Amino acid sequence: LAKTTQPISMDSYEGQEVNITCSHNNIATNDYITWYQQFPSQGPRFIIQGYKTKVTNEVASLFIPADRKSSTLSLPRVSLSDTAVYYCLVGTPKVDNYQLIWGAGTKLIIKP
Amino acid sequence: DSGVTQTPKHLITATGQRVTLRCSPRSGDLSVYWYQQSLDQGLQFLIQYYNGEERAKGNILERFSAQQFPDLHSELNLSSLELGDSALYFCASSVFEVSLEEQYFGPGTRLTVT
Repeated sequence: LAKTTQPISMDSYEGQEVNITCSHNNIATNDYITWYQQFPSQGPRFIIQGYKTKVTNEVASLFIPADRKSSTLSLPRVSLSDTAVYYCLVGTPKVDNYQLIWGAGTKLIIKP
Repeated sequence: DSGVTQTPKHLITATGQRVTLRCSPRSGDLSVYWYQQSLDQGLQFLIQYYNGEERAKGNILERFSAQQFPDLHSELNLSSLELGDSALYFCASSVFEVSLEEQYFGPGTRLTVT
């Protein structure tokens, strides 16, 4: 049963690169790692997903080391609008007992 | 706009009552997920349906039930409501059976139990 651990909160400044790390020591072989962003009173929004090494899209990068026991979401040149809660999600599909576990989330506050 | 709709947006009811939350997934999506988010808490996965069949069950109370209809919309029924059931309830949808794929979340229904 994969569980995730993230920092509760982080602060940064506009224009900086922000890295949020998620620990998932018990990640299973078939698990993928997914990150979502959530603004207050809104549903989460998908950011990025990966299995190993590095994945990059237009908004973020995801770094996953070889042992896959952690992952790092990297947000380049953040702005005030990036202030949100970021969730690390590890998916564990099984035949009879499907588990979908979300981390507690990291509250990211971007300052001017 | 994710394309997922949820009604009602807000719901206020009393303890012991029963309510039904409704979700319409994105066009073409076969999976529907229900989540509960209490104040300042993370998301708790409740249940998933795929093409009308229950696919996965999370931390859903016995007082709660859900179903997915032939037109793929879903309803979450909450009964014998307690104060602690006050929360945001989100519905999400995706194309595939397993949630490894991207989920699209609706705007949520805010339930207040008084």
